[in-house]
Amino acid sequence: EDKVVQSPLSLVVHEGDTVTLNCSYEVTNFRSLLWYKQEKKAPTFLFMLTSSGIEKKSGRLSSILDKKELFSILNITATQTGDSAVYLCAIDRPSNDYKLSFGAGTTVTVRA
Amino acid sequence: DVKVTQSSRYLVKRTGEKVFLECVQDMDHENMFWYRQDPGLGLRLIYFSYDVKMKEKGDIPEGYSVSREKKERFSLILESASTNQTSMYLCASTPTGFGREKLFFGSGTQLSVL
Repeated sequence: EDKVVQSPLSLVVHEGDTVTLNCSYEVTNFRSLLWYKQEKKAPTFLFMLTSSGIEKKSGRLSSILDKKELFSILNITATQTGDSAVYLCAIDRPSNDYKLSFGAGTTVTVRA
Repeated sequence: DVKVTQSSRYLVKRTGEKVFLECVQDMDHENMFWYRQDPGLGLRLIYFSYDVKMKEKGDIPEGYSVSREKKERFSLILESASTNQTSMYLCASTPTGFGREKLFFGSGTQLSVL
């Protein structure tokens, strides 16, 4: 089974801090790595990364993929209480079956 | 707005009961998925379907079955609920082809089996 490991499992920060979340994986042949944000119940899509070294950015969030070292990071700058959520990393498997392998997630709590 | 709707947010059932979890999407997506989410384990795929009446086992299909009679509806069935099936169940859908990696999730059903 594909392995996706996220770290840390949880963290607590204060508003304005910068957060870096890690996702490492053991699948060497994959199509894409994805990040989702889960605030209440339904995860919502953040980024899809397919190429190594190219940063994707959306407002205060950014992400980058390192295919050589087999990891991705998600950065959140100037955190706000609305960033409190579980952040999920997922790998799109090599087989053509549309299945994703998810990590356990990182719970981020941003205190005012 | 695209929508994946799960029929119940919370369910409490007894051991041995037959349980139906319903999911409906309004985006005309071909692919639909059932995941369960447990603390420390992340999302694990139970079953998925890429077409009406088609189904494929995911990573943890034991104790579950599914039904897809119409394109918009994907049902998860627990034939005889057990306490280890207490979990958050998430349904998702995605189109075939471009954008298929971007899953659209429902709000989840928290199932407790007593």
